[in-house]
Amino acid sequence: QSVLTQPPSVSGAPGQRVTISCTGSSSNIGAGYDVHWYQQLPGTAPKLLIYGNSNRPSGVPDRFSGSKSGTSASLAISGLQAEDEADYYCQSYDSSLSRVFGGGTKLTVL
Amino acid sequence: EVQLVESGGGLVQPGGSLRLSCAASGFTFSSYSMNWVRQAPGKGLEWVSYISSSSSTIYYADSVKGRFTISRDNAKNSLYLQMNSLRAEDTAVYYCARAVLWFGELVSDYMDVWGKGTTVTVSS
Repeated sequence: QSVLTQPPSVSGAPGQRVTISCTGSSSNIGAGYDVHWYQQLPGTAPKLLIYGNSNRPSGVPDRFSGSKSGTSASLAISGLQAEDEADYYCQSYDSSLSRVFGGGTKLTVL
Repeated sequence: EVQLVESGGGLVQPGGSLRLSCAASGFTFSSYSMNWVRQAPGKGLEWVSYISSSSSTIYYADSVKGRFTISRDNAKNSLYLQMNSLRAEDTAVYYCARAVLWFGELVSDYMDVWGKGTTVTVSS
């Protein structure tokens, strides 16, 4: 059971927009800690996708966006492309002095 | 090029020990905190341990506390994870990841550079 809760899977057709939620609690996201997102393509290491709720590292397309509200955060992917098919993880910090990940969401591009 | 390369994984019997290494290049290793993160087969990411740039601050996940020890050698640009009393549930790919401090509403950090990982299998 992960500290941060994500849907196990989401799907969408090419060109569509999908969102992935990440729900925490008052000891992590709700406490004020920001959320970061990682993309893991099949068979590869995770890659930073969004940091500080909504900031994209250099090279990440603006089709990817993030937001945070209360005890939850969301990752939105617009203009879905086949190469976006991957696992996505949210990550935050918990008052127990640890970094915490969501359970991961598998995105399928139909 | 900024790079992290893990090594030291392998097959070990339950109760055994293993030492993982992570070689850093392309950046000033001594300026960054570092993390170990693992991923069991078919499962999600699990944070394992954190060490600050000067080794003054260290944290562990409850699942490994008392069995794993994180350390670093800034002169050798290397990060280590000593794993003792290994269990079947420690079987995973182990990644080292660079930590970047983030000054949001509260101070935290995120992981901006990851290695390719090294596989640890605990089995008899």
